[in-house]
Amino acid sequence: DSGVTQTPKHLITATGQRVTLRCSPRSGDLSVYWYQQSLDQGLQFLIQYYNGEERAKGNILERFSAQQFPDLHSELNLSSLELGDSALYFCASSVASYTYNEQFFGPGTRLTVL
Amino acid sequence: GESVGLHLPTLSVQEGDNSIINCAYSNSASDYFIWYKQESGKGPQFIIDIRSNMDKRQGQRVTVLLNKTVKHLSLQIAATQPGDSAVYFCAEATPPYNFNKFYFGSGTKLNVKP
Repeated sequence: DSGVTQTPKHLITATGQRVTLRCSPRSGDLSVYWYQQSLDQGLQFLIQYYNGEERAKGNILERFSAQQFPDLHSELNLSSLELGDSALYFCASSVASYTYNEQFFGPGTRLTVL
Repeated sequence: GESVGLHLPTLSVQEGDNSIINCAYSNSASDYFIWYKQESGKGPQFIIDIRSNMDKRQGQRVTVLLNKTVKHLSLQIAATQPGDSAVYFCAEATPPYNFNKFYFGSGTKLNVKP
């Protein structure tokens, strides 16, 4: 168990809908990262927050947004969902914003868009 | 658990044998590399990293070899155990190592036969 929790574990929704994925980092970790992993695709970095502020942005679609709250949990909002958004979404956390070898990943949320 | 990469290349080894998993990277400017292990139903887990000023780095039962000339990275697992069964993928990064500068491979599935 990495100490990072993600909810829900599974999410099935329809095209055009909006969903929110939630992540609670490990205790003491200030940095939260979101990744997308499609079937047969490598992990794609979406966005990083550090202590409530956006720190780095990857290939995140404009339909997607994220935030980190004062209690350090984070939410990833996906709107106007398309079939191609079906994927595993991982959250990771680390103490600092640059500890590349100390990211701890959660178990992921499996999103299925029908 | 969730299945990742149903069509990934698969390496099957006998328990106790050594495993070698390969990764080719494309960017000659990449100078930091990480190997991850992803078990079914779990998020990726850091295994070992290496910087381009090194050709080899050893961890516990794992060794990473870097050949910058041919842009090739390998992960060697000694005395492979059933618990090593997972998808393994590499990541490459370029300075200044922001997370949006990390690129992840799709991985290789390691199947350890008892």
